[in-house]
Amino acid sequence: DTGVSQNPRHKITKRGQNVTFRCDPISEHNRLYWYRQTLGQGPEFLTYFQNEAQLEKSRLLSDRFSAERPKGSFSTLEIQRTEQGDSAMYLCASSLGEVSNQPQHFGDGTRLSIL
Amino acid sequence: AQTVTQSQPEMSVQEAETVTLSCTYDTSESDYYLFWYKQPPSRQMILVIRQEAYKQQNATENRFSVNFQKAAKSFSLKISDSQLGDAAMYFCAHQGGSEKLVFGKGTKLTVNP
Repeated sequence: DTGVSQNPRHKITKRGQNVTFRCDPISEHNRLYWYRQTLGQGPEFLTYFQNEAQLEKSRLLSDRFSAERPKGSFSTLEIQRTEQGDSAMYLCASSLGEVSNQPQHFGDGTRLSIL
Repeated sequence: AQTVTQSQPEMSVQEAETVTLSCTYDTSESDYYLFWYKQPPSRQMILVIRQEAYKQQNATENRFSVNFQKAAKSFSLKISDSQLGDAAMYFCAHQGGSEKLVFGKGTKLTVNP
């Protein structure tokens, strides 16, 4: 069990640029989640995949955000035309199996800073 | 929509003492799960303890236990024999029929030597 891996750990970019983050879940986990955490707040749900299917999206996920999990393994989260308000920690989590409500295991996150 | 409220932004405890962190939640679902996660500074979120709503028995994991009051929609975390390594942000979370976790704002726990 190598844990959930996220890259990069930190990303600094100028407003208006596009950024892409990657998440590699625990190998046997078929569910993958993205959350956003701003300073002083708990994580907020963005979206969730079961295998390659994106099953739920938060209304926080504006049309500038897109997430993919093309082969049901790793996932990418892309933010287009970044804005100051996108500055946050982006957390990925994964969980196992067909049974609901299995515990989610989190990665270290990608911290995004918009200049 | 589910909501989770943690009314204590910060708590402190002396090493070896016991501390209780509060959490209340609101949900219309009858079947759900509740969690406490720990987030040390600059480190990943770690699951501390999990409670199924249909179970009346309170969950326990070593020094960590919960007081689950379903009717009151209360889910507090008790940490016994506090250790310096327990210092972290603690988040209470709810998971219902949707797979998503709904988190509270967190409680920052300081452990004093």
